[in-house]
Amino acid sequence: DTEVTQTPKHLVMGMTNKKSLKCEQHMGHRAMYWYKQKAKKPPELMFVYSYEKLSINESVPSRFSPECPNSSLLNLHLHALQPEDSALYLCASSQGGAAGPSGNTIYFGEGSWLTVV
Amino acid sequence: AQSVAQPEDQVNVAEGNPLTVKCTYSVSGNPYLFWYVQYPNRGLQFLLKYITGDNLVKGSYGFEAEFNKSQTSFHLKKPSALVSDSALYFCAVRGIPPNAGNMLTFGGGTRLMVKP
Repeated sequence: DTEVTQTPKHLVMGMTNKKSLKCEQHMGHRAMYWYKQKAKKPPELMFVYSYEKLSINESVPSRFSPECPNSSLLNLHLHALQPEDSALYLCASSQGGAAGPSGNTIYFGEGSWLTVV
Repeated sequence: AQSVAQPEDQVNVAEGNPLTVKCTYSVSGNPYLFWYVQYPNRGLQFLLKYITGDNLVKGSYGFEAEFNKSQTSFHLKKPSALVSDSALYFCAVRGIPPNAGNMLTFGGGTRLMVKP
């Protein structure tokens, strides 16, 4: 089983709202990632968690706040977003930590489509 | 710094014909190369990867890829295309740890259109 589950699939939020995206995996992976993808573009890395600790923040604005409550769960808290933040948000995971062997496959979820109005 | 190039924005092929989606890379040391496919309104699905060993790697859905070190290429191939193969394909490379060299670097993507 190589499943990464993301909820919700679709989210529409106003610029003053607070919402969260959720991600879950039960593969025992210890590295989890958030990516942002605009239409017809490659995914862009936002955050990396390794053994439940934030290891990489790719200079993401503070209106995006990640959280890793345990080794299976990853959240992305959203607050005061802008319309340009509308995108597909992809969660991913890989075996071992983020500094583990580079040959480890990164598995992606189906994504959460976010629209900011 | 590592990088990946997919020189074709779109590849058109007739159903039943062979297909090739091109990828070239630049990375220090031995590369770890991946292909992902993204169907419309879906996430990325892992197709195959090259780590070491045989230069011809076989993956899901009948796809294969050939690693060519001298040409720094990792082209995706399939002997007989299906209409259902129409999707967006991403080549990616992971470099050498530590630091961000261990992260995936994606190419710009190639849209494959298979026509009946």
